[in-house]
Amino acid sequence: EAQVTQNPRYLITVTGKKLTVTCSQNMNHEYMSWYRQDPGLGLRQIYYSMNVEVTDKGDVPEGYKVSRKEKRNFPLILESPSPNQTSLYFCASSLKGAGGYTFGSGTRLTVV
Amino acid sequence: AQKITQTQPGMFVQEKEAVTLDCTYDTSDPSYGLFWYKQPSSGEMIFLIYQGSYDQQNATEGRYSLNFQKARKSANLVISASQLGDSAMYFCAMRGANTDSGYSTLTFGKGTMLLVSP
Repeated sequence: EAQVTQNPRYLITVTGKKLTVTCSQNMNHEYMSWYRQDPGLGLRQIYYSMNVEVTDKGDVPEGYKVSRKEKRNFPLILESPSPNQTSLYFCASSLKGAGGYTFGSGTRLTVV
Repeated sequence: AQKITQTQPGMFVQEKEAVTLDCTYDTSDPSYGLFWYKQPSSGEMIFLIYQGSYDQQNATEGRYSLNFQKARKSANLVISASQLGDSAMYFCAMRGANTDSGYSTLTFGKGTMLLVSP
């Protein structure tokens, strides 16, 4: 089944403790991106990647890192999480330049 | 820069009635794609329907249709014969070119919450 797999689905952590949210797709998509969703703000792009080793900042990149060492994986790293990063996070992938994005199931992160 | 506007924070509809969710967009790209996603209370993002900027006909997918008016820059979602399971948040989104990097980003509106009553 074609899909984007995010893990974990739910995560509660403490301020300052490094964490990684994994994202993997099995559709050989070139493009991958991370979004965060907050009430009243919709979905905002954090980082995106056009292909292996090609990443760039989206609209809200502060406090996040990403890497794209393999085409299928695009982890989101929070080196020192803070409470304002409490949010619902989505990973998405698509073919280059056309078509829709396929979304993962989301990761609900709470930083206390 | 791309922008999507959804002016209806919430909509109510009775079961079996049709409902229209509004979406306007702004872009200077000649080529773009318009999407609608459904987000139920469980949180996942479900793709509903797609309209390309050069498509001559309005897109339809089962009970969903997209009323595309290019000159007005609107892409309203029409749900016919609403069902209780249609209660969810609905997002309009646009994919267009990022001329700086060549990446085509997906920009979302802030969403419309639809509640379907029996």
